[in-house]
Amino acid sequence: NAGVTQTPKFQVLKTGQSMTLQCAQDMNHNSMYWYRQDPGMGLRLIYYSASEGTTDKGEVPNGYNVSRLNKREFSLRLESAAPSQTSVYFCASINTGRRQPQHFGDGTRLSIL
Amino acid sequence: ELKVEQNPLFLSMQEGKNYTIYCNYSTTSDRLYWYRQDPGKSLESLFVLLSNGAVKQEGRLMASLDTKARLSTLHITAAVHDLSATYFCAVDSGGSYIPTFGRGTSLIVHP
Repeated sequence: NAGVTQTPKFQVLKTGQSMTLQCAQDMNHNSMYWYRQDPGMGLRLIYYSASEGTTDKGEVPNGYNVSRLNKREFSLRLESAAPSQTSVYFCASINTGRRQPQHFGDGTRLSIL
Repeated sequence: ELKVEQNPLFLSMQEGKNYTIYCNYSTTSDRLYWYRQDPGKSLESLFVLLSNGAVKQEGRLMASLDTKARLSTLHITAAVHDLSATYFCAVDSGGSYIPTFGRGTSLIVHP
């Protein structure tokens, strides 16, 4: 089915390790987003990309970097993982200008020891 | 800064009862969204509300928007166990397409 695909689905890291979370959408959406979800906190925006070639910080960008590789792909990198980054990460996309909601991936459950 | 508040955060109700979840926001809205999330799953879109007085219904769920009061409601009619989930509202404004999410309402429907 068409949609937003995130990899990996689960990951355990040690403090200080680095990794990249991958996200791809096949709906030709222009905007893409990375959120983290922590218990009782709702979704908090880490970074977003309004269009290919642009990225901007969200509410909680510290400790993360992003790359909008092309229109389909938007990756999130943790350069030096910290226990405070243990969370569930969701990627989302939308076609701005249409009266539609964001489409979300299945999430990546990340634990940092 | 746009703030979105949901009430209540936790809701335990019996099957067959009615209840309302409230979503208040602090600035003018362009779009208001309601999502459902089952435990361990992703977010599923329920409704998109665009204008004052908008009302949308799907099964036992009905959402409405009052932009003057900066308030949206999600009304549950004759709740059933399958409605147990966490419900989020999200609002974007200023033409940004950057939704701000509420903290979510965790709903448990008991037999």
